[in-house]
Amino acid sequence: EDQVTQSPEALRLQEGESSSLNCSYTVSGLRGLFWYRQDPGKGPEFLFTLYSAGEEKEKERLKATLTKKESFLHITAPKPEDSATYLCAVQGAYNTDKLIFGTGTRLQVFP
Amino acid sequence: GAVVSQHPSRVICKSGTSVKIECRSLDFQATTMFWYRQFPKQSLMLMATSNEGSKATYEQGVEKDKFLINHASLTLSTLTVTSAHPEDSSFYICSARDLSSDTQYFGPGTRLTVL
Repeated sequence: EDQVTQSPEALRLQEGESSSLNCSYTVSGLRGLFWYRQDPGKGPEFLFTLYSAGEEKEKERLKATLTKKESFLHITAPKPEDSATYLCAVQGAYNTDKLIFGTGTRLQVFP
Repeated sequence: GAVVSQHPSRVICKSGTSVKIECRSLDFQATTMFWYRQFPKQSLMLMATSNEGSKATYEQGVEKDKFLINHASLTLSTLTVTSAHPEDSSFYICSARDLSSDTQYFGPGTRLTVL
C-alpha cells in the first residue's frame, strides 16, 4: 500500500536557524513526489515536483531533494513568513490519478 | 503559475439545505479535478475524482448521493452537499490537474458551516 510519513509533526525555529523536514514514502513505482505549502485557512500552494532519485530543486530559501526512500525539504535561514504547514505527497505509477499525502509538518519561525 | 478558484470561500447554511461549491481552473484546461475534505490540524482526505464528461469516482466511505459532483466542462467542477447536517461542516478544497506538468493545483478552499 502506498504510504507517506512526514517528520517532525511540528518544528519551531528561530529566524535564521536552518533545518530540514523529512518525507519518507512507500509507493509502487514513483511517478512524482510533490511538496506543497499550506497556510491556515487556505488551500495548498504548489512548491516542487521531484521525479527521480538524486534530483534537487530550489526556490528562494527552500531546497527539495529526493532519494529512493525519502525526500527532504531544506530551509536555509528561515524567516517568519516561512511559517506554514508543509505537505508532501506522492503519485504512484499504477494509480496516476491520486496523490497520497502525508500529515504534514507545522513549521513556526520566530523572530 | 496555474490558478484554481473556488466559490464561495465561506458559506453558512441551515441543516437540511443543499450547498453548491464551484471549482474553476482559470488558465488551463483540466480533464481531471479532485475534491478533498480537511478537518482541523489534519491532512487532506480525498473524497472523489471528477472527470470531465463522465461520472465521478468516489473514495470508500464517501456517500455519492450526499456529495454530488458534476464536471460539465474542462474548467468547471461542482460539489453539491445535499441535505447538509452539522457533521458535514468542514473545509472543502478542490484541485485541478494540469496535464502539461502533471501537477495538481489547489483552490483556496471553502469553509462550510451547517447550523
